[in-house]
Amino acid sequence: EIVLTQSPGTLSLSPGERATLSCRASQSISSNYLAWYQQKPGQAPRLLIYGASSRATGIPDRFSGSGSGTDFTLTISRLEPEDFAVYYCQQYGGSFTFGPGTKVDIK
Amino acid sequence: EVQLVESGGGLMQPGGSLRLSCAASGFTFNTYSMNWVRQAPGKGLEWVSYIGSSSGTIYYADSVKGRFTISRDNAKNSLYLQMNSLRAEDTAVYYCARDSRYCSGGTCWRVYYYMDVWGKGTTVTVSS
Repeated sequence: EIVLTQSPGTLSLSPGERATLSCRASQSISSNYLAWYQQKPGQAPRLLIYGASSRATGIPDRFSGSGSGTDFTLTISRLEPEDFAVYYCQQYGGSFTFGPGTKVDIK
Repeated sequence: EVQLVESGGGLMQPGGSLRLSCAASGFTFNTYSMNWVRQAPGKGLEWVSYIGSSSGTIYYADSVKGRFTISRDNAKNSLYLQMNSLRAEDTAVYYCARDSRYCSGGTCWRVYYYMDVWGKGTTVTVSS
């Protein structure tokens, strides 16, 4: 079973700063299987990125994804107030599994 | 508007049963595979179950296999999760989510693997 590890656990930043979130898989996965979600308190997850680097419909271009093999990155170029949330990576290896999440909070 | 609305959650005693429903609207329900995903209080996301567009393919997480049953009624645009032998560790918000797998005219596509439409969730609490 492929395990996803996300780092850091918490990222404390100010609005306008750049956020770099990491997702590492325990073994190599296809980029087609890697997605990122955003979840705010009391809300459902929202798809941000699929295929490691493709933005979902309606997602601002300040969100970008990159990576391949075992190492993937979600970058938020300039944090807006509404971007403070928890971010999960997801992979598919016969079934969906999620990373433990990175919380981006206000410094 | 594409929408998923879950219902059926509640407080149940250990060993009890519950049936969750998910009503879909705004898209052609019978062309998409669907999933249930849950989130325990203060925890991360856990995939629970998958069902293909025509119910021909079904998968479960090991944690619920043999206790939960996923089903769908395409005529009613609805997805279900029958939950039996409930345990305290089943306490969670349960989300239904549309899968990226799409089928039409006997052909299916799934280049990327993700869940792109989510309901707001329904809360299941298992406690004595």
